[in-house]
Amino acid sequence: QKEVEQNSGPLSVPEGAIASLNCTYSDRGSQSFFWYRQYSGKSPELIMFIYSNGDKEDGRFTAQLNKASQYVSLLIRDSQPSDSATYLCAVISYTGGFKTIFGAGTRLFVKA
Amino acid sequence: DGGITQSPKYLFRKEGQNVTLSCEQNLNHDAMYWYRQDPGQGLRLIYYSQIVNDFQKGDIAEGYSVSREKKESFPLTVTSAQKNPTAFYLCASLPRREANYGYTFGSGTRLTVV
Repeated sequence: QKEVEQNSGPLSVPEGAIASLNCTYSDRGSQSFFWYRQYSGKSPELIMFIYSNGDKEDGRFTAQLNKASQYVSLLIRDSQPSDSATYLCAVISYTGGFKTIFGAGTRLFVKA
Repeated sequence: DGGITQSPKYLFRKEGQNVTLSCEQNLNHDAMYWYRQDPGQGLRLIYYSQIVNDFQKGDIAEGYSVSREKKESFPLTVTSAQKNPTAFYLCASLPRREANYGYTFGSGTRLTVV
C-alpha cells in the first residue's frame, strides 16, 4: 500500500463545474496536509494547507480533512481551463521523525 | 523578490560524467531539500540540510552528493554511480526543518542522459 494515494486521472470536468480531487494516506500519525498545483513542465506551487478536521476555504478552493477516515480532498469551484494541471497531495508524518510524503498526483483537465 | 533559483533549466549528461545542479535561495531559510520527480511517481527525497555544513540522506541518496557551505546554497552532484539519472530535479526550502508550512520550490532542472 502506498503511503499517499491519489487517482492519477485524468479527471475531466467542464468549465464552471466543481472539480473534486481526493487523497488517502496510510499513517495515522500524519498531522499536516498540503495541496500543490503543478503545471506541465513547471515546479509545484502551494495552493492550500490544512491541519484540522473539517473544511478550509480559500477563494475557489476548499480543502477537506477527515483524519478518522484518513483522507483529504480538494474542491475547485467554478473550474477554469487555467486550472488544468496536476495536483499533488503531500502529507507530513511525525511517525519515526518528521517526513513529507507526496502522492503521485491527479491530472485535471477543464474543458472550455 | 525572495525565492529559489535553480540552474541550469536543462542539463544533458553523458555516460560516466558527473554533473552539478545549482540551487540558491534568498529567503533566509535554514532547511533545504533536493527532490527527484519521475513520470507517474511522487516526489522522492534525495538529500536535505537543516543547517550549514550538515546534511542528511533521504530515501534515494545513492549516486548523489551534496554540500552546504553557505546558508544560501545547496548544490547537488549527480555522479556516474547514479545509473538512471534522467528526471526532473527540484530544490525546495523551509524556514526550518520542522516548520509546518508548505515548501517553496525552485523552477527545477531537467536532466537527460545522452
